Amino acid sequence: KAGVTQTPRYLIKTRGQQVTLSCSPISGHRSVSWYQQTPGQGLQFLFEYFSETQRNKGNFPGRFSGRQFSNSRSEMNVSTLVLGDSALYLCASSLVGVPRGETQYFGPGTRLLVL
Amino acid sequence: QQQVKQSPQSLIVQKGGISIINCAYENTAFDYFPWYQQFPGKGPALLIAIRPDVSEKKEGRFTISFNKSAKQFSLHIMDSQPGDSATYFCAASNLPNAGGTSYGKLTFGQGTILTVHP
Repeated sequence: KAGVTQTPRYLIKTRGQQVTLSCSPISGHRSVSWYQQTPGQGLQFLFEYFSETQRNKGNFPGRFSGRQFSNSRSEMNVSTLVLGDSALYLCASSLVGVPRGETQYFGPGTRLLVL
Repeated sequence: QQQVKQSPQSLIVQKGGISIINCAYENTAFDYFPWYQQFPGKGPALLIAIRPDVSEKKEGRFTISFNKSAKQFSLHIMDSQPGDSATYFCAASNLPNAGGTSYGKLTFGQGTILTVHP
C-alpha cells in the first residue's frame, strides 16, 4: 500500500497570505490527524477528521482550519499567516482514529516558511 | 495535565552501547504509550508501544519499561547502532471519552536527538 502523501513538500509564503496543504491518507484509512512540528513547541495536535467531520481540535487559533473529503483526503488551511506559523505540518492517517487500538501513520510533512 | 515530559533533549552513545530515554506524564487517563522515531526529512514512524497493563515490552533491540505508579515510561535501545541516530518521541493517548477530545490525538514529548558514534 502507498503511504501517506502530502503536497506540497515545501512552501514559502509571506505574512498575511493564506495557504492550503493537502494530505492523502493510506487507502482504507478514514481518520486524518494534523500536527504542527516546531523546534520550540515540538509536535502539537491541530485537529482530526473522520468521515468528513471534525471530531477533535487542538489549541490553535481559528486561522487554522481543515476539511475532509468523501475519499478521506484532507486539506488544512492557514489564513493571515504570521512568522510563527513557520513549521513542518504533518498529517497522519489511521483506520478510525483511536490511537490506543491502531497505529497512526505519518506523511513526510509540508515544510512551510513564512517570510 | 495533558503534558508528556521527555528527557534528555539529546543523547550521544557509542556503537554497541545502551541508549535510554525517559518520559513522564500527568494525565492518569492516558492508557497508550507509543514511541516514534523520526529521521531528517521524514515523518515520525511508530517504533514500539505499550499499554499500562504490562510493565515491559520488548521488540528486538527496543524495550519499553513502564511504571504506572510513578507515571513514567522509558525506551531502552540495546546494542545501539549508527543507523539508530534519529529523533525519538514518546507519546500518549487515551480512549475516546464522552467529549471526544482524544480522537486521533497523540500528545508528544519534546523529543530526544540520539547520536550513535561508530
